[in-house]
Amino acid sequence: DAEITQSPRHKITETGRQVTLACHQTWNHNNMFWYRQDLGHGLRLIHYSYGVHDTNKGEVSDGYSVSRSNTEDLPLTLESAASSQTSVYFCASSESGPMNTEAFFGQGTRLTVV
Amino acid sequence: QKEVEQDPGPLSVPEGAIVSLNCTYSNSAFQYFMWYRQYSRKGPELLMYTYSSGNKEDGRFTAQVDKSSKYISLFIRDSQPSDSATYLCAMRRTGNQFYFGTGTSLTVIP
Repeated sequence: DAEITQSPRHKITETGRQVTLACHQTWNHNNMFWYRQDLGHGLRLIHYSYGVHDTNKGEVSDGYSVSRSNTEDLPLTLESAASSQTSVYFCASSESGPMNTEAFFGQGTRLTVV
Repeated sequence: QKEVEQDPGPLSVPEGAIVSLNCTYSNSAFQYFMWYRQYSRKGPELLMYTYSSGNKEDGRFTAQVDKSSKYISLFIRDSQPSDSATYLCAMRRTGNQFYFGTGTSLTVIP
């Protein structure tokens, strides 16, 4: 079965360190998204990609970067981790086109910056 | 103002109750409307979707869209403890980006 997986599931890192969260999907979807989920804010879009070598900034992109070198993977990098980036991060993918009514989500990565 | 507004709750109901969850939105260009369910420590999963205005029913769940009022609802009949979760509304225009509400936390008490 096709799926979308995130790793690691849990991560504790120190302020100032660079951190990369992995996202891998086997749906062969063109669209991939990174969200962070915080109490009171819901899902906020960080970065998204509509295909290989395409990346776009979302609502809360400062301090984050992504790259898309193939269809399956969209790693999220925190350049210099800050305590404000402690959150649960979700990766999602969807088909392109007008009928892509479903975004498939990974299980989430719980990141703590100390 | 956020494009999608959703009351975060929390909402607590007895088993068997009818639950009503709602979202409002400001952008009239939204055409696709979705409800996601998210269990604790899991990713959101699609529950229902509707295109444009109208109702859609799936078992105990009914989704309603009123584009004239920019208002969408999810009704859960005969609620069960297994329905306890966070429910997120989501919307999309003709592009590929999804716009999510903040989610409403629901607890169904046995």
